[in-house]
Amino acid sequence: GIQVEQSPPDLILQEGANSTLRCNFSDSVNNLQWFHQNPWGQLINLFYIPSGTKQNGRLSATTVATERYSLLYISSSQTTDSGVYFCAVDRRGSIQGAQKLVFGQGTRLTINP
Amino acid sequence: DGGITQSPKYLFRKEGQNVTLSCEQNLNHDAMYWYRQDPGQGLRLIYYSQIVNDFQKGDIAEGYSVSREKKESFPLTVTSAQKNPTAFYLCASTTRHGYTFGSGTRLTVV
Repeated sequence: GIQVEQSPPDLILQEGANSTLRCNFSDSVNNLQWFHQNPWGQLINLFYIPSGTKQNGRLSATTVATERYSLLYISSSQTTDSGVYFCAVDRRGSIQGAQKLVFGQGTRLTINP
Repeated sequence: DGGITQSPKYLFRKEGQNVTLSCEQNLNHDAMYWYRQDPGQGLRLIYYSQIVNDFQKGDIAEGYSVSREKKESFPLTVTSAQKNPTAFYLCASTTRHGYTFGSGTRLTVV
């Protein structure tokens, strides 16, 4: 099955710093999503980004599908950005209407004040 | 407000017991999913359902069962056949453009 690798596994930064999180995947995908899991376990969908670049405030993401990677950028980090960031992909050929996501292991981001 | 409600937030199970986790959504989404998360790990797919009265096994379905009698509801039963059920369970539903997750149920075997 498809493999999803995220790096780095852990990242500790001071408030105000910028960061780049990477997601590599081993096969063609027709869907890629980035999620943020807060310390209480809630998962929030950040981006649906099978290709191209999107921006939402201080966060932006780029997926280069032909090279099988995606990057999540966080600028001017705040303590509320702390948590685990997951990349997840939907395998090519998935049944129409169902998005069977395969998740990476996550990057744990800690923003210190 | 539209969303997904999971209950209970915390659940303790004795060995040999079956327990059922509730998942309800008012988003009018067709597809619903159950994922399991172990400490320090990503999520793994247990079961998913595209429409009422239909569901499919995911990657780790052994020891679990589901039903989909209503569009809004997708309960998960953790049976006694699941050897290591202690985990965080997340329910989700989707549109074409992304997932919405519930807040999760933490199941502990005592």
